[in-house]
Amino acid sequence: EPEVTQTPSHQVTQMGQEVILRCVPISNHLYFYWYRQILGQKVEFLVSFYNNEISEKSEIFDDQFSVERPDGSNFTLKIRSTKLEDSAMYFCASSVRAGGELSGNTIYFGEGSWLTVV
Amino acid sequence: AQSVTQLDSHVSVSEGTPVLLRCNYSSSYSPSLFWYVQHPNKGLQLLLKYTSAATLVKGINGFEAEFKKSETSFHLTKPSAHMSDAAEYFCVVRQGQGGKLIFGQGTELSVKP
Repeated sequence: EPEVTQTPSHQVTQMGQEVILRCVPISNHLYFYWYRQILGQKVEFLVSFYNNEISEKSEIFDDQFSVERPDGSNFTLKIRSTKLEDSAMYFCASSVRAGGELSGNTIYFGEGSWLTVV
Repeated sequence: AQSVTQLDSHVSVSEGTPVLLRCNYSSSYSPSLFWYVQHPNKGLQLLLKYTSAATLVKGINGFEAEFKKSETSFHLTKPSAHMSDAAEYFCVVRQGQGGKLIFGQGTELSVKP
């Protein structure tokens, strides 16, 4: 079964450093997402991306975050200057369509990238 | 805005006994609801989804959920628990017409031998 793959599985970085988390969405999918889960808290939406631009973002996704699809297969999340509170599991996800009530669209998630900021 | 509340943070059952994980939703219109499962060191896997087609939804691994509008509930059940069912389960609602999902806080399921 096709799957979303993420790298690295775990990264430790110093506060203030830049981090890039990488994702390879499912090949025929057109919509891409990043979610995160801080330890002990809910999974939270960060951003959605379609047609090479952000279609929706949450309050969490401030100027220190950016997303990019540098080529036909990768989708990246960059954190410019990491803070301690950025420590979390970051999930990449993708879907064929964005949704709609009756579309039955499914969002597929990767296994996540653990980011630890020290 | 839509939201989901999972009523139990932790549920423990014995192998072979029924599983019930409770979820209530809040939505101003007919929602799209999902259950995802996360096994240790694994990603989020879709168990099942409700999108108005049928109120009783069957998913993978013997799980099913019933959409009850009158109770605003979408509880997840399984007749007989297996050790491999031990995991974190998330009730999820789609926000609006797009791809943004709103997660519940999760229920950790433990299965005792």
